Amino acid sequence: GDSVTQMEGPVTLSEEAFLTINCTYTATGYPSLFWYVQYPGEGLQLLLKATKADDKGSNKGFEATYRKETTSFHLEKGSVQVSDSAVYFCALSDQGYSTLTFGKGTMLLVSP
Amino acid sequence: KAGVTQTPRYLIKTRGQQVTLSCSPISGHRSVSWYQQTPGQGLQFLFEYFSETQRNKGNFPGRFSGRQFSNSRSEMNVSTLELGDSALYLCASSQPGLAGGWSYEQYFGPGTRLTVT
Repeated sequence: GDSVTQMEGPVTLSEEAFLTINCTYTATGYPSLFWYVQYPGEGLQLLLKATKADDKGSNKGFEATYRKETTSFHLEKGSVQVSDSAVYFCALSDQGYSTLTFGKGTMLLVSP
Repeated sequence: KAGVTQTPRYLIKTRGQQVTLSCSPISGHRSVSWYQQTPGQGLQFLFEYFSETQRNKGNFPGRFSGRQFSNSRSEMNVSTLELGDSALYLCASSQPGLAGGWSYEQYFGPGTRLTVT
């Protein structure tokens, strides 16, 4: 079955540091890939997505590139802010379906 | 446009009781999915409804059930509650096709925090 593996957290960074959160997946076919963010006490917000190989999703300074050869979708940001502190989830959906398979989530803590 | 709303936001129940959670999707969205979030298991898919029909189901016991109404609002029910059912239950809505290609973006509500004592 489909699966998503994320690096375990927490990831602790100082403000303005570079962020990478690794995500790899296992799926048949050509899944769509997503990053969701969850702030304390809230639901999930879609951060960015990519639907085919070599697509780059980007939003709010975050980027991720769909790498089919390495089955990866790593999240990056050049300069993190304290307000980026949250839990980040990598997810996939199979072609033609909306059901999401999530990774375990990675907590990001950014200090001033 | 209003987002996905879930009621109630918090709920405390006793083992053996049953509970009903409600979800109102974004206006125009016809697909509603439910997920359970726990610290141990993470986010797990429960089921999806589209046009009042269950389209997909996750690996949960029959105590977990759901339905969707003609206005796309959805409810999920858990009968004979167990301590392990304590979780954040998230509802997500989507409109297949409008996101383009095969990607169906899902928009999540704030969740219902269920505590079983």
